[in-house]
Amino acid sequence: DAGITQSPRYKITETGRQVTLMCHQTWSHSYMFWYRQDLGHGLRLIYYSAAADITDKGEVPDGYVVSRSKTENFPLTLESATRSQTSVYFCASSVSFTSTEQFFGPGTRLTVL
Amino acid sequence: AQRVTQPEKLLSVFKGAPVELKCNYSYSGSPELFWYVQYSRQRLQLLLRHISRESIKGFTADLNKGETSFHLKKPFAQEEDSAMYYCALYYGQNFVFGPGTRLSVLP
Repeated sequence: DAGITQSPRYKITETGRQVTLMCHQTWSHSYMFWYRQDLGHGLRLIYYSAAADITDKGEVPDGYVVSRSKTENFPLTLESATRSQTSVYFCASSVSFTSTEQFFGPGTRLTVL
Repeated sequence: AQRVTQPEKLLSVFKGAPVELKCNYSYSGSPELFWYVQYSRQRLQLLLRHISRESIKGFTADLNKGETSFHLKKPFAQEEDSAMYYCALYYGQNFVFGPGTRLSVLP
């Protein structure tokens, strides 16, 4: 079941570097999401996208940039990584934003030194 | 700010015992609430949603607007229920997840 994949699965980078996390889904779901998961906070929504070329901020968007040129891809870029962005990042997709199931990727563990 | 709280980080019960995972939310409108589960080495997945009023794997959850709660219950826990459970709230154009509760069902 490789409907939604993330790459890389693990990444170590240094403060100030640009990092891009990739997310790809094969279901043609309209909505895609990026979350970060930190101890004690659960998952927090960073950005979401309702369709190609339509993106919007979630709860914690600062320091992140997204794009969605194709329905199936939703990359997340940290333009200048900071230690506070060390986290596990999850991508998800769904048919719609509400009342439907979100399908999650396996996660990317990012460490910023 | 809209919040979801799950007061227990870890809940341990014996097999066959009842289990209740607590979830409280703060939201002034009509909430849409979900329970997600993550089994060991598996992806996060939807367990149930309150609008469906469904029972999945023996679990049920009732929305109590007066107490702003959406507790997850199962009358007889099984070892395969051991996992991380997250309560989630949808409002406006945002999803908020609680910090999660790790359920450990002991043999």
